[in-house]
Amino acid sequence: DQQVKQNSPSLSVQEGRISILNCDYTNSMFDYFLWYKKYPAEGPTFLISISSIKDKNEDGRFTVFLNKSAKHLSLHIVPSQPGDSAVYFCAAGFNNRDDKIIFGKGTRLHILP
Amino acid sequence: ETGVTQTPRHLVMGMTNKKSLKCEQHLGHNAMYWYKQSAKKPLELMFVYNFKEQTENNSVPSRFSPECPNSSHLFLHLHTLQPEDSALYLCASSQAGTSGYNEQFFGPGTRLTVL
Repeated sequence: DQQVKQNSPSLSVQEGRISILNCDYTNSMFDYFLWYKKYPAEGPTFLISISSIKDKNEDGRFTVFLNKSAKHLSLHIVPSQPGDSAVYFCAAGFNNRDDKIIFGKGTRLHILP
Repeated sequence: ETGVTQTPRHLVMGMTNKKSLKCEQHLGHNAMYWYKQSAKKPLELMFVYNFKEQTENNSVPSRFSPECPNSSHLFLHLHTLQPEDSALYLCASSQAGTSGYNEQFFGPGTRLTVL
């Protein structure tokens, strides 16, 4: 049973507009959430995180929002740039098991010129 | 070398072959991981080594055998694989036990094809 779900396999957004990537989870005990970005032929790289006690974290063009009641988080990228075209993975983890995180399937983001 | 390196980057093997994947981390981390990424599936955690001790084995078939001789090196030994084992195998490392955020650093992966 998937604990972290990314239901959109792909998303296309015009350059300069906002990209919104969504993630749902089933386990209310997760302590933190992460977003990773992956280019072809490279491993995933860490992008941004959010603690379960917060509802927003911002880092430059990237903002992650957490809605605990809905068990939903989203990654906003604004403005979207061509270099943002990649696969984005949502992940979740526990403070008392800091050697393990659980990933979603990923969403492929295409930034259109 | 910096970060996490993996060799080989590509591997094609028959079902009767024995091969090994190698991972090395140059970050001074104490935990290393093997993940499998198949098309249209989540990243699947296979094995976790924390301070060289295996702490996780997610019901991985015995045809995959991990080895962690020290905190910087991790191997995945492959034997009598099946075509459905074809996937991207990713290695990662992290500094476990220092904070709630387990930022894992990934290698580029080995693209494995089993014929």
